[in-house]
Formats: sequence, structure tokens, C-alpha cells
Amino acid sequence: KNQVEQSPQSLIILEGKNCTLQCNYTVSPFSNLRWYKQDTGRGPVSLTIMTFSENTKSNGRYTATLDADTKQSSLHITASQLSDSASYICVVSAKTGNQFYFGTGTSLTVIP
Amino acid sequence: DSGVTQTPKHLITATGQRVTLRCSPRSGDLSVYWYQQSLDQGLQFLIQYYNGEERAKGNILERFSAQQVPDLHSELNLSSLELGDSALYFCASSVRAVDYNEQFFGPGTRLTVL
Repeated sequence: KNQVEQSPQSLIILEGKNCTLQCNYTVSPFSNLRWYKQDTGRGPVSLTIMTFSENTKSNGRYTATLDADTKQSSLHITASQLSDSASYICVVSAKTGNQFYFGTGTSLTVIP
Repeated sequence: DSGVTQTPKHLITATGQRVTLRCSPRSGDLSVYWYQQSLDQGLQFLIQYYNGEERAKGNILERFSAQQVPDLHSELNLSSLELGDSALYFCASSVRAVDYNEQFFGPGTRLTVL
């Protein structure tokens, strides 16, 4: 069964600290993996998109890694800011049928 | 602002009714996607259109249908509404239909079924 699991479910960190969010998937055949940031009540915003051949991608203070062999991805946030408080969602696309599989997200709270 | 617009912002209706949600993609984008986000199920992919044609189908119920009209805006029709259909409905657009294109999400329509 095609599934995407994220951990932790929620995370509280101090402003300025780094953190890493995890995404494990069983989607096959794999096409690409995306990380989105979603503020409460708003549409998701794309952070990174990685295909099979990419194992690292950065977008400012956000760095995503992908290990296609172990089917794991992580999103590392450096020097967190209060505005990083949001839900971070991992989405994996399958080549077959152009399907998208969503994780349930990690809720990040950055406190001063 | 992503450039994707959705109307209405909020919609309150009763069980058994039918509603239409509308989406205008970013200028130049040919592909439109619809997603449902509920508290218990998270985000789910419903359906994708590319240049007027259905391209991919996800967990879309038979009571739901969609279309993309010649000017490329899209409508999601929800009928025989049930309490469980209450959710945020997002539309997203991308330039082409290939699945690694970046998708830009609209602000969503919040549907409440009473």
C-alpha cells in the first residue's frame, strides 16, 4: 500500500535553533518527493521538489535530503525564525497514474 | 500571493445540497489540481486537469465532478452533500502536466455542511 509517514507529529523549538523533520514512504514506483509549508488556514507553499536522482536540495534556510534506497527524506531548518511556525507536509508522487500521496504533516512551533 | 484564485472563500450549506467551487489558475498555467483537506484525513488529491482534459484521478467520490473550461479556469461540483464533506478545498496550478512541476496553491474554499 502506498503510504507516507511523517515524524514527529509536532515539535516545539526555540528561535534560532535548528531542527530536522522526517518523512518515510512506501510509494512505488517513485517519481518525486515534495516538501510543503502550510500556515494555518492557508494553501501549502512549495519548499523543495526532488526526483530520484537528487539527494539534496536547498531553499534558503530549508534543506531537504532524499535517500531513495531507504525511502526516507528529511527537511532540515537552520536558524529557525518565529515565521517558521507552520505545518510541514511531505508529498510523494507515484509514476503510475500520476498520483500524489500526502503525509499527515509535522506541526512546528518556534518560540522566542 | 500565489496567483491562483478561488471563489467563494467560505460556503455554508445543508446536507443533500449541491455546490460549485471555482478556481482560476495562474496566468499561463495549463494544469489544475483539486485537493481536499479535512481534519481527520489530512490533504488528499482529488483530480487533475490539463488543458481541458482529465489527466489523473485520486480519491474523488462519485458525487463529486470537475471540469476545466476553455479559458482554463476550473470548477469542482459537489453534490448530495454529507456532513463529512465539510473541509477545505484547495486548487493548485502548474505550467505543464508533468508531475515534477511546481504546484501553486490557491487560498482555498472552506465548505461547511450543516
